[in-house]
Amino acid sequence: GAGVSQTPSNKVTEKGKYVELRCDPISGHTALYWYRQSLGQGPEFLIYFQGTGAADDSGLPNDRFFAVRPEGSVSTLKIQRTERGDSAVYLCASSTASADTQYFGPGTRLTVL
Amino acid sequence: GEDVEQSLFLSVREGDSSVINCTYTDSSSTYLYWYKQEPGAGLQLLTYIFSNMDMKQDQRLTVLLNKKDKHLSLRIADTQTGDSAIYFCAEKAGGYNKLIFGAGTRLAVHP
Repeated sequence: GAGVSQTPSNKVTEKGKYVELRCDPISGHTALYWYRQSLGQGPEFLIYFQGTGAADDSGLPNDRFFAVRPEGSVSTLKIQRTERGDSAVYLCASSTASADTQYFGPGTRLTVL
Repeated sequence: GEDVEQSLFLSVREGDSSVINCTYTDSSSTYLYWYKQEPGAGLQLLTYIFSNMDMKQDQRLTVLLNKKDKHLSLRIADTQTGDSAIYFCAEKAGGYNKLIFGAGTRLAVHP
């Protein structure tokens, strides 16, 4: 079956601009996660949704970052006033409600010039 | 706090066994995972182990967990060039759903 999909695969933007990154989870998965992976590092947790609500947003670095999942399926990660330090690969994962295993999408590579 | 550490690089000859090691600090970890990442790709879940288990075998992969020492290892038997990738160890702490990852071990397989 289809895995987690993310769009766009690459996004180049200028400092100060607004960006939206989209994640489409595996069908039937109620839990959705966003992680950020900087060059040479492991992924770092940003936010976790169970259904439509953010159950844990403790990893969001500041209030420029926001994520939504209005219908409990597709999620959008929104970054305002982008900074060069936001450049990274943004990974999305999904799981069933029991959350024993998380399956990752291919990621969106964000470059802020 | 939570921390996961891995050695950064491992080089093995094709056909030999590879052993990738990981240490973690959170004693409340419920599950521990191994993910594989090939260049430009996302993370592929390889295997995982529940914290009340000592060992798990899945074809060429063997996971060993020493809960007392908070040490996890991944053994890949008969390593092939297609196994060249970065391998990430991750833990899921008790009471949370987020994963804490190590920085990854780059495995290089040479003829």
